[in-house]
Amino acid sequence: DQQVKQNSPSLSVQEGRISILNCDYTNSMFDYFLWYKKYPAEGPTFLISISSIKDKNEDGRFTVFLNKSAKHLSLHIVPSQPGDSAVYFCAASTDSWGKLQFGAGTQVVVTP
Amino acid sequence: DTAVSQTPKYLVTQMGNDKSIKCEQNLGHDTMYWYKQDSKKFLKIMFSYNNKELIINETVPNRFSPKSPDKAHLNLHINSLELGDSAVYFCASGGGVNQPQHFGDGTRLSIL
Repeated sequence: DQQVKQNSPSLSVQEGRISILNCDYTNSMFDYFLWYKKYPAEGPTFLISISSIKDKNEDGRFTVFLNKSAKHLSLHIVPSQPGDSAVYFCAASTDSWGKLQFGAGTQVVVTP
Repeated sequence: DTAVSQTPKYLVTQMGNDKSIKCEQNLGHDTMYWYKQDSKKFLKIMFSYNNKELIINETVPNRFSPKSPDKAHLNLHINSLELGDSAVYFCASGGGVNQPQHFGDGTRLSIL
């Protein structure tokens, strides 16, 4: 039962433009959300997170928005750069031990 | 300085063999995890240890046995390997409540 869903398997965006990645979840008990970036043959790298008491968190070019009523979060990358081409995973957690549930990932390709 | 390191990176072996994957973290975290990424690219948690104590044990065949000699190490031993065990296995460590997990680069296990 997939509780975290990324419905867009891929996204192509021009360099300099905004990338918007979406993630939906079904478990209302999730209270901590994260985005990871993954290059081939490497492990996921932590990008940004947000706790359920906030609706926005920003770190440089990356902003995560959380809409609890819609059970939806999004990641905005602006401006997009060629080095941002990777697979992006959304993840969520309900408990203090940090068991993460991951979405299926979105492959982002940034074109010149 | 690699924060979470796994060995080996690649493991090719025959069905029925027993193999181990090692993981070490130098982040000083109390909690370590094993995740499996299957052919559909989903990342799913298998086990977690906190200070050498098992805290998460998902529905995993008992052929898989994690061992944590100290809080900086979490190894994964797999008995009687089957074709379906072919996957990428990721080790991770986490710093606590609402703290991100940091991943190793993965071990690609291929069963012939």
